[in-house]
Parts: sequence; structure tokens; C-alpha cells
Amino acid sequence: DAGVIQSPRHEVTEMGQEVTLRCKPISGHNSLFWYRQTMMRGLELLIYFNNNVPIDDSGMPEDRFSAKMPNASFSTLKIQPSEPRDSAVYFCASSPWGGANNEKLFFGSGTQLSVL
Amino acid sequence: GENVEQHPSTLSVQEGDSAVIKCTYSDSASNYFPWYKQELGKRPQLIIDIRSNVGEKKDQRIAVTLNKTAKHFSLHITETQPEDSAVYFCAATLADSSYKLIFGSGTRLLVRP
Repeated sequence: DAGVIQSPRHEVTEMGQEVTLRCKPISGHNSLFWYRQTMMRGLELLIYFNNNVPIDDSGMPEDRFSAKMPNASFSTLKIQPSEPRDSAVYFCASSPWGGANNEKLFFGSGTQLSVL
Repeated sequence: GENVEQHPSTLSVQEGDSAVIKCTYSDSASNYFPWYKQELGKRPQLIIDIRSNVGEKKDQRIAVTLNKTAKHFSLHITETQPEDSAVYFCAATLADSSYKLIFGSGTRLLVRP
């Protein structure tokens, strides 16, 4: 298995532009998470999907952020409009669900977002 | 809500020495405590975890101990090697949301050759 795949690896955009981050979870994993990592705030959970359904979006900072999971193998995180303070590394992670290992998170390589 | 405190923020050790990183948590009902290692520019990767019904777990040179009464858990790395240099994060699950991991702020470990 190739693991969790994220794209793009790096994104540089100007303030006000729309940004879309993409994630393909590990096949068979029922849970998908979007995290944001910054020096100031560390790793923060933005949103959690289970079986493609958003379960907890309490970490989504503002209405400018939205996430979708149209099927079990794909998710997007969109920021519109983007702002400089959104600059961070965004990680997607997936996890199996229902067994003893359901809490183990497998992270993707992340998207380094820079909003100028 | 759950709060996870991690210390120290940086740790420098000589190759071959041991390293210990400590975390405390606030939710007494938390029951799962993983440790993640993140090398520079890479993804966090799970290195070891422990559940609340176990006091200690070992995997080769790394071990984790859990004291539920005191609500703290620690990562121990013995015979450190330069490739152990990374940022280490502890985490704890919320009792009412087992999917939600609350991460510590991280410890930057440097192993000097």
C-alpha cells in the first residue's frame, strides 16, 4: 500500500485565492482526519470523517474552510478565500475503525501551504 | 477539555545516552496514549502506544510508561543514535471522543554523535 497520499506537496498562493488540498486515504480505512500543523499551535484536528460522513468539524477555524469526502478514497480541504494566517502544513490521516487498532493514525506527507 | 502538556521542549543528549520525554494529561478517563516521531520535513509516524490497562510497553530501544493515578506518561529511548534526532509528540484520546487525539506541543530531540 502506498499509504496516505496528499497533493500538492507545496502550494504557494496569493491572499484571496481559493486553495484545494487533496487526500487519498489508505484503502480499507474508514476514518479520515485533516490536521493543521503550525509552530504556534502544534497539531490541530480540523475535521474528522467516518464512513465518508463528517462527524466532527469543531476544529474548522472559520467558514472559509470546508471539507468534503465524496467517496471512501478521496477527500478535499478547501480554503476560500485564503489568508496569510492560513499558512501551515496540512496533514491528512486515515485510520482503520472497529478493531483494536482503530486509534492508530497514518499520516500523509502533508501539504505545505504558503499564502502571500 | 483535554489538555496534554509535554516536557521538555528541546532535549540534547550524547549518542548512547538515554532520553526521557514526559507528558501529563487532564482527562482522567483518557485511555489511549500514542507517541509519534516526526523527522524534519516528514510526516508524523507512530512509534509506540499504550492503553490505560497497561503500565509499561517496550519495543526494542523505546519504552513507554503510564501512571494513571498521576495522569502522566513518558517515552524512554535507550542507547540513542543520531537517527533518533526528530520531534516527538505525545497524545491522548478524549474519553467521550475516542477518535480525537489531543497532541502535546512536541519535544525536539538532538542526539549528538
